[in-house]
Amino acid sequence: AIQLTQSPSFLSASVGDRVTITCRASQSLRDDLGWYQQKPGKAPKLLIYAASTLQNGVPSRFSGSGSGTDFTLTISGLQPEDFATYYCVQDYNFPWTFGQGTKIEIK
Amino acid sequence: QVQLQESGPGLVKPSETLSLTCSVSGDSISGFYWSWVRQSAGNGLEWIGRIHPSGSTNYNPSLASRVTMSVDTSKNQISLRLLSLTAADTAIYYCARWMQSVGGGFDFWGQGTLVTVSS
Repeated sequence: AIQLTQSPSFLSASVGDRVTITCRASQSLRDDLGWYQQKPGKAPKLLIYAASTLQNGVPSRFSGSGSGTDFTLTISGLQPEDFATYYCVQDYNFPWTFGQGTKIEIK
Repeated sequence: QVQLQESGPGLVKPSETLSLTCSVSGDSISGFYWSWVRQSAGNGLEWIGRIHPSGSTNYNPSLASRVTMSVDTSKNQISLRLLSLTAADTAIYYCARWMQSVGGGFDFWGQGTLVTVSS
């Protein structure tokens, strides 16, 4: 199975900060990677699919980039509602796999 | 708006079989792939498998020997059966729709149902 390694696992940031989360795959995914946000007690929410395409209704401060094995999620101007856990997911090869998550907390 | 609702027993005994149903409203299940994903404290998020209403399935090899997914298009439902449960199967189970037409991504999720395996 393809392994996804996110870094950092934990991030402390302030409102207005620009934050970047990386996701590294154990083999090439082309651009078959998505990013999700999860808040406590809620299901994950799709932010980005196909590595860089913003899902309908997601604020433009979220952006994704990368291809192959290295991907990034950037939040430009962190808002209070963005404090959550973020996951990358690959749907290039079965079994589809998730990263271990990056938790963003308020500094 | 598409809505997904998982249902099933919250508590199951070890060695028993788990049966969950995902009821979909707001759109037909036809034409989409539907996945089950579970989340536990120990293993994070884990993709269980997917099914298309045509009957096509793909399962996670780690669970394939114990998993069966099915669809009921007349009821607009997807179902999951997981055999021979152990404590390691304790998790929140989600159903989710996969956007095949645009190259991927789970765009709609259920709220999740907590399944505890305990005697």
